[in-house]
Amino acid sequence: SQQGEEDPQALSIQEGENATMNCSYKTSINNLQWYRQNSGRGLVHLILIRSNEREKHSGRLRVTLDTSKKSSSLLITASRAADTASYFCATARYNFNKFYFGSGTKLNVKP
Amino acid sequence: DTGVSQDPRHKITKRGQNVTFRCDPISEHNRLYWYRQTLGQGPEFLTYFQNEAQLEKSRLLSDRFSAERPKGSFSTLEIQRTEQGDSAMYLCASSPSPGRDSYEQYFGPGTRLTVT
Repeated sequence: SQQGEEDPQALSIQEGENATMNCSYKTSINNLQWYRQNSGRGLVHLILIRSNEREKHSGRLRVTLDTSKKSSSLLITASRAADTASYFCATARYNFNKFYFGSGTKLNVKP
Repeated sequence: DTGVSQDPRHKITKRGQNVTFRCDPISEHNRLYWYRQTLGQGPEFLTYFQNEAQLEKSRLLSDRFSAERPKGSFSTLEIQRTEQGDSAMYLCASSPSPGRDSYEQYFGPGTRLTVT
């Protein structure tokens, strides 16, 4: 079974609005990553946050990590229609031998 | 193109047949992962190679599945006696050795398997 679980499963917003999606996981991690998958396309790495970090920014993306609650959130600001995709969180064990992906949040940004 | 490539992109096979998929990682990436993804779900880990050594294998991987990475370069994933439940997208990803900012995985486009 997947370790990570995203919430919500689906999200529909208007262009220009912010989108927030959450990820919960079960065991200790080295880092947590967020990936995007467009319809019919491959997975693309967006951002990584290490277990000793609490917040990280990259362009319009903001990621937070709360290791005490075993949860992370991804905020996309000023969303665009091109942000329409599925977003997955992935956690890595300390030896990087295995990554666990969540079931994803399907984001729809309406123009 | 220096990204991860997978071949074939699509495979339709009849139940009971064997299939083999190939993955060419980014050169100099010594870590290689195989995943399976079904519709509406996230990628599910199958197996991991560091160079030519297979260091991790999911318990979900039955003995009908086998993977190799000879010489630590390309990798193959073989499914014997395919079943309809094997229908899925098979993804390959590569990653350099963990360093300060080298934990991310680079994914290939996937091989979509349909078992009829």
